[in-house]
Amino acid sequence: ETGVTQSPTHLIKTRGQQVTLRCSSQSGHNTVSWYQQALGQGPQFIFQYYREEENGRGNFPPRFSGLQFPNYSSELNVNALELDDSALYLCASSLQQGSGYEQYFGPGTRLTVT
Amino acid sequence: AQKVTQAQTEISVVEKEDVTLDCVYETRDTTYYLFWYKQPPSGELVFLIRRNSFDEQNEISGRYSWNFQKSTSSFNFTITASQVVDSAVYFCALSEAPGNQFYFGTGTSLTVIP
Repeated sequence: ETGVTQSPTHLIKTRGQQVTLRCSSQSGHNTVSWYQQALGQGPQFIFQYYREEENGRGNFPPRFSGLQFPNYSSELNVNALELDDSALYLCASSLQQGSGYEQYFGPGTRLTVT
Repeated sequence: AQKVTQAQTEISVVEKEDVTLDCVYETRDTTYYLFWYKQPPSGELVFLIRRNSFDEQNEISGRYSWNFQKSTSSFNFTITASQVVDSAVYFCALSEAPGNQFYFGTGTSLTVIP
């Protein structure tokens, strides 16, 4: 196990609602990245947080937002949920920000939007 | 354009057979990093290996080995004497410098039949 935890494990929401997903990073890791993994696809980068600031963003609309807290834990917020937001949301922590650091993933939160 | 291509969608082998998972990447950067991850049915991505663009040495770790060839932009993964526990989806990923996001392939689903 990586030490990265996510909550909740599963979530069912209705289109138009808002959702907050949570992640605790591995001890000693100051960088958290979020990914969306649709069924049968590879994870897609949403954004990364380093020292409580957004540190890079993938091709996702502004209704995807996040926070990082002083203890390096993080939240992913999605507003105005759409059916296509149904996916596995993965959080990953790394020792430092930057391309060379391996990312350690949590078990994910499976979001279903109906 | 897809930065990481895993052309093999699904592979089935009989236990104890060797199997190679292909990964082809695309980048214009001279400094980059390549990764392999394993995703068992539980959903958590497990880090297997990191390789930087300046190190073309092949690596062996137990039954696992990796063949990195810059000339063909490939980073292939071989499992020797496969076991049922190797059944999972395997992802290849690229990270470019500067930058911080991982680009994942679409994954190869490996089934090892007892």
